[in-house]
Amino acid sequence: GDSVTQMEGPVTLSEEAFLTINCTYTATGYPSLFWYVQYPGEGLQLLLKATKADDKGSNKGFEATYRKETTSFHLEKGSVQVSDSAVYFCALRGSGGSNYKLTFGKGTLLTVNP
Amino acid sequence: NAGVTQTPKFRILKIGQSMTLQCAQDMNHNYMYWYRQDPGMGLKLIYYSVGAGITDKGEVPNGYNVSRSTTEDFPLRLELAAPSQTSVYFCASIREGGRDTGELFFGEGSRLTVL
Repeated sequence: GDSVTQMEGPVTLSEEAFLTINCTYTATGYPSLFWYVQYPGEGLQLLLKATKADDKGSNKGFEATYRKETTSFHLEKGSVQVSDSAVYFCALRGSGGSNYKLTFGKGTLLTVNP
Repeated sequence: NAGVTQTPKFRILKIGQSMTLQCAQDMNHNYMYWYRQDPGMGLKLIYYSVGAGITDKGEVPNGYNVSRSTTEDFPLRLELAAPSQTSVYFCASIREGGRDTGELFFGEGSRLTVL
């Protein structure tokens, strides 16, 4: 079945540091890929997405590129802020009969210190 | 526009008690989901519904039941609560035609503790 593996946390960075959170996936066909973010005490919200190979999703300074050859969708940001502190989830939506649901990774807690 | 509304936000249950977590959305979404979030384990799908009157099991359905009598409401019932059901529960929905966007809209969560 579909699965998502993302780097273990927690990740602690200083403000303005470069961020990478790795995400790899296993799925048949051509899934859509997503990053969701969960701020403290809130539900998840969509951060960015990519629906086909080589697409780059971007939002709020975050970027991720859909790499089919390496089955990866790594999240990056050039300069993090304290307000980016949150849990980040990589997720995929299958292209076949299971495309009614999303499969999530375990989440990566990011803490940014001033 | 309220989005996805979950109640209660917090609840403590004793072992063996039953309760219902309420979920309502006002976006006319056909697809609705219940997930549980355990520390370090990500989100696991409990049940989902693709429309009124249609529900199906997800990855971890044991100990739970759902119903979908209207498009707006998707309550989750816990029967005979057990400590293993201590978790944060999220309801989510997606708009029809969202198969290309995949954007789930989440409620704020319900934190349940079973003692």
